[in-house]
Amino acid sequence: AQKVTQAQTEISVVEKEDVTLDCVYETRDTTYYLFWYKQPPSGELVFLIRRNSFDEQNEISGRYSWNFQKSTSSFNFTITASQVVDSAVYFCALSELAGAGNMLTFGGGTRLMVKP
Amino acid sequence: GAGVSQTPSNKVTEKGKYVELRCDPISGHTALYWYRQSLGQGPEFLIYFQGTGAADDSGLPNDRFFAVRPEGSVSTLKIQRTERGDSAVYLCASSQGGSSYNEQFFGPGTRLTVL
Repeated sequence: AQKVTQAQTEISVVEKEDVTLDCVYETRDTTYYLFWYKQPPSGELVFLIRRNSFDEQNEISGRYSWNFQKSTSSFNFTITASQVVDSAVYFCALSELAGAGNMLTFGGGTRLMVKP
Repeated sequence: GAGVSQTPSNKVTEKGKYVELRCDPISGHTALYWYRQSLGQGPEFLIYFQGTGAADDSGLPNDRFFAVRPEGSVSTLKIQRTERGDSAVYLCASSQGGSSYNEQFFGPGTRLTVL
């Protein structure tokens, strides 16, 4: 069975600090996809990134970067120079290729609070 | 273009009542998903539709929960004999296809409170 663990339930930083959100996953599939979603106070989940299991290249998008390491089953997310607008709950999710559809299995989320 | 919409945004009901939650997916999206998010937790999968048929309903907690998508577009999640434990935010998502790489677009959710 697939499982996603986000060990950090809450992180508080001061604006301009860098912060890394951890994500560890479990799956028996060799082909799968990993996602990060942001859930601001408004409640709507916002897609941030998708990574397939065969692509271990790190990715950078502006202040966001992702580190995928298959050897440790981790897909960590780093925000550089955090801003107050980054305050939200962030979810890591996994989707296996096998099965009837690509249901997402979410972690418990990490609440990030960025203080001015 | 319009995103996924859900109605109502909030629903308060009494224990034992029947409720219907509606989801309007993005036009043209063939795949539709329902998730449930309890307070302080991540969303949990309930059911997946590909077109009109429920391709995977393994996440429905019991037979009080049922969902339909009769014309392959709008979907309704139906909960019979509601219980206080059903209180949660019910999220709907749609995607262009049912493959794992298809990004799922989420609606704002319906907050259900069972008194």
